[in-house]
Amino acid sequence: QVHLAQSGPEVRRPGASVSVSCKASGYTFSNWGIVWVRQAPGQGLEWMGWISVYTGDKKYAQQIKGRASMSTDTSTNTAYLEVKSLRSDDTAIYYCARGAERSPDYGGNSWFGPWGRGTLVTVSS
Amino acid sequence: QSVLTQPPSVSAAPGQKVTISCSGSRSNIGNNYVSWYQHLPGTAPKLVIHDNNKRPSGVPDRFSGSKAGTSATLAITGLQTGDEGDYYCATWDSGLSAGVFGGGTQVTVL
Repeated sequence: QVHLAQSGPEVRRPGASVSVSCKASGYTFSNWGIVWVRQAPGQGLEWMGWISVYTGDKKYAQQIKGRASMSTDTSTNTAYLEVKSLRSDDTAIYYCARGAERSPDYGGNSWFGPWGRGTLVTVSS
Repeated sequence: QSVLTQPPSVSAAPGQKVTISCSGSRSNIGNNYVSWYQHLPGTAPKLVIHDNNKRPSGVPDRFSGSKAGTSATLAITGLQTGDEGDYYCATWDSGLSAGVFGGGTQVTVL
């Protein structure tokens, strides 16, 4: 059974960095990608980025590009999302989900699932 | 402001049908498959439709999807109280080279 286990809640000051982890099980990690999505309080879902575990190819949403960094560790079947220079509007639940191995620009699936249960990141002074 | 446009809310009585629209453009819905996600309170979002009209294993056939041009629709028939929550459409935007979501639609069972 496919399962994505995310790390616990984090609290950071503005300007700091945070790393969220997503440990996959129940499937061959390197055959898929990982998508990151966040939801700010009272807001909708926001697509943040996608990474191919096998090739390392990445795509970032324009609004987070330059401050977010995705990576994977195939030895532990874990994906990571780091966000730097945190602002108060980065306060959100951050979700990982299993995604396509290839970018949809090259014929990969655009859908993703299943999802992790989410990690609450609070940015507050 | 979301790239894809959804109505903020829809409602219907138990057993009835609701439809949720999702409007985009040629660079997203017009040239890519659409997926739909169910987000119930206190749970992780769940994929209910992919590739415009395909249901993942375990999703009841009360859920169906369609696409025409630059718009897509999710229909839920035989509405149940357990269906109450938020529903999001999503697709790839070839111009942005990024995924995009709709703003979400809250489904209420009266």
